[in-house]
Amino acid sequence: DARVTQTPRHKVTEMGQEVTMRCQPILGHNTVFWYRQTMMQGLELLAYFRNRAPLDDSGMPKDRFSAEMPDATLATLKIQPSEPRDSAVYFCASAQSGGANIQYFGAGTRLSVL
Amino acid sequence: DQQVKQNSPSLSVQEGRISILNCDYTNSMFDYFLWYKKYPAEGPTFLISISSIKDKNEDGRFTVFLNKSAKHLSLHIVPSQPGDSAVYFCAAKSGGSNYKLTFGKGTLLTVNP
Repeated sequence: DARVTQTPRHKVTEMGQEVTMRCQPILGHNTVFWYRQTMMQGLELLAYFRNRAPLDDSGMPKDRFSAEMPDATLATLKIQPSEPRDSAVYFCASAQSGGANIQYFGAGTRLSVL
Repeated sequence: DQQVKQNSPSLSVQEGRISILNCDYTNSMFDYFLWYKKYPAEGPTFLISISSIKDKNEDGRFTVFLNKSAKHLSLHIVPSQPGDSAVYFCAAKSGGSNYKLTFGKGTLLTVNP
């Protein structure tokens, strides 16, 4: 049963601390997305990668957020320093190039910054 | 500027009846539309999609209709079941190999037994 795996599922931290969220895309998928879901904004695209190269990170606050793909099986989203307004659910999704444009989502990381 | 709008935050229907969820878009470059379903504490899961060259796509109890002139699409669920209770997101993309999706804010569907 292929699925996108995200860790941790929940994270509570204090303002100013570094937060790292991890995502394992579905094996064989070469496109990875990071989204943030809030009540006010809904699902916002933060960044996405194709073949591990960043294609678009225009949705990401550049001063504190960074996204990387160290290898094809791991994507990371880092916030440093974290702020209370970063509290949200962060989703990772992956897709297969040449497929039917279907993105498969992980279960998300619920982040609370106190 | 919201390019994909779901104007009804919630919808409640009786089991066995039809559920109709609506979605409007403003970007005329969108050429592919998707519906995702989301249960609490889970990620969105793909439900059904439609290309702009079609006006209807059907998959079992789910049918998506696209009206390009009105920039409107709708998802019909017939018959509705209690297990369909979830948040439904409309999403759109433009341009061939561009995988970037723009999502609406979602509609919470409750199907009452």
